Amino acid sequence: EIVVTQSPATLSLSPGERATLSCRASQSVSSYLAWYQQKPGQSPRLLMYDASNRATGIPVRFSGSGSGTDFTLTISSLEPEDCAVYYCLQRSSWPRTFGQGTKLEIK
Amino acid sequence: EVQLLESGGGLVQPGGSLRLSCGASGFTFNNYAMTWVRQAPGKGLEWVSDISASGGGTFYADSVKGRFTISRDNSRNTLYLQMNSLRAEDTAVYYCAKGDQVLGGYFDYWGQGTLVTVSS
Repeated sequence: EIVVTQSPATLSLSPGERATLSCRASQSVSSYLAWYQQKPGQSPRLLMYDASNRATGIPVRFSGSGSGTDFTLTISSLEPEDCAVYYCLQRSSWPRTFGQGTKLEIK
Repeated sequence: EVQLLESGGGLVQPGGSLRLSCGASGFTFNNYAMTWVRQAPGKGLEWVSDISASGGGTFYADSVKGRFTISRDNSRNTLYLQMNSLRAEDTAVYYCAKGDQVLGGYFDYWGQGTLVTVSS
């Protein structure tokens, strides 16, 4: 099983600041990694797929990078509505595995 | 518009069974894989099971293998999860999600979830 580890666990930033979230896989997943956003009381929403492709309707301030074992989700200029938990998911092999999540707080 | 509507959750005793359903609309159901993902209260997301577009391929997390069965009825645009021998640690919100491929893709649309509580 591929273990996916996210850091930091919690991130607290102000509106307009840049957020950098990390995801590390225990072995290479090539570019088969997605990022999801889950706001309180809501279902997860797909943000990025194949590491760097924005899903439909996702604002351009969200970007993703990485391949192999190390990946990054960047939010270039935080908005208050970006307050959420962010998860990464690898689809390189079964079982699919999610990271434990990064909680992003907006000051 | 893609819509996924889960049902069938509720309170069940340890060792009991429950069948979840997920009704799909807004897309050609038999062209896409489907998935169940769960989230225990206050915890993160856990993948549970995948089924291919045809239903011929199924995959399970080790934590549910041998106890849960995923299936689909493409004539009814419905996904199922039969859950047997339920344990307290199966307590979670169960989400169904649509895959973006015939098999093995990402989960691009999610339902609102149905809560399963396993307790005596």
